Amino acid sequence: GAVVSQHPSRVICKSGTSVKIECRSLDFQATTMFWYRQFPKQSLMLMATSNEGSKATYEQGVEKDKFLINHASLTLSTLTVTSAHPEDSSFYICSARPILGGGGYTFGSGTRLTVV
Amino acid sequence: EDQVTQSPEALRLQEGESSSLNCSYTVSGLRGLFWYRQDPGKGPEFLFTLYSAGEEKEKERLKATLTKKESFLHITAPKPEDSATYLCAVESGGSYIPTFGRGTSLIVHP
Repeated sequence: GAVVSQHPSRVICKSGTSVKIECRSLDFQATTMFWYRQFPKQSLMLMATSNEGSKATYEQGVEKDKFLINHASLTLSTLTVTSAHPEDSSFYICSARPILGGGGYTFGSGTRLTVV
Repeated sequence: EDQVTQSPEALRLQEGESSSLNCSYTVSGLRGLFWYRQDPGKGPEFLFTLYSAGEEKEKERLKATLTKKESFLHITAPKPEDSATYLCAVESGGSYIPTFGRGTSLIVHP
């Protein structure tokens, strides 16, 4: 089955620093990947749609300059949280679906970001 | 705008006590309805995709059904390891962006 690898699984960083999260589709190609944020005991909040070879599409209220998304290849998308602050602490999850074939979206295992 | 409402928000069952989770949706042209399971601290795990009313899919103790307005996830004789949050999502029309419900938190007591 389709596998999405997300790294790191946990990261602690100091306020003001930047953190990069990687999302890789291991056995399929994806022109589109999605980045979500999830608060405790709440559902997934879509942050942005990552498009291979073009700019990401951000949801309303999500700061483009703070959450930088790069989708450089058909198997890799990255989310960089720039100048992180404690309020950015959250669980970040990516997802993707194979270009060919139907079925559901495959999610990464998530990244727990803690900004201290 | 697509809308997905899941009920109940939380459900506690005894081991072996069968029940159903509901996902009501409003979309303009359903492309697909998805069910996921999410364990704490992990990403959602894909369970089923349903495409048209009347369709049913099964996996072990889980069975998903679909009508034109809602989907049910039936859990037969659940075990403690079935405890998780179950998420429902829909994809509609020309959009490939799924809309998620808030989920049902299921706890199965031994």
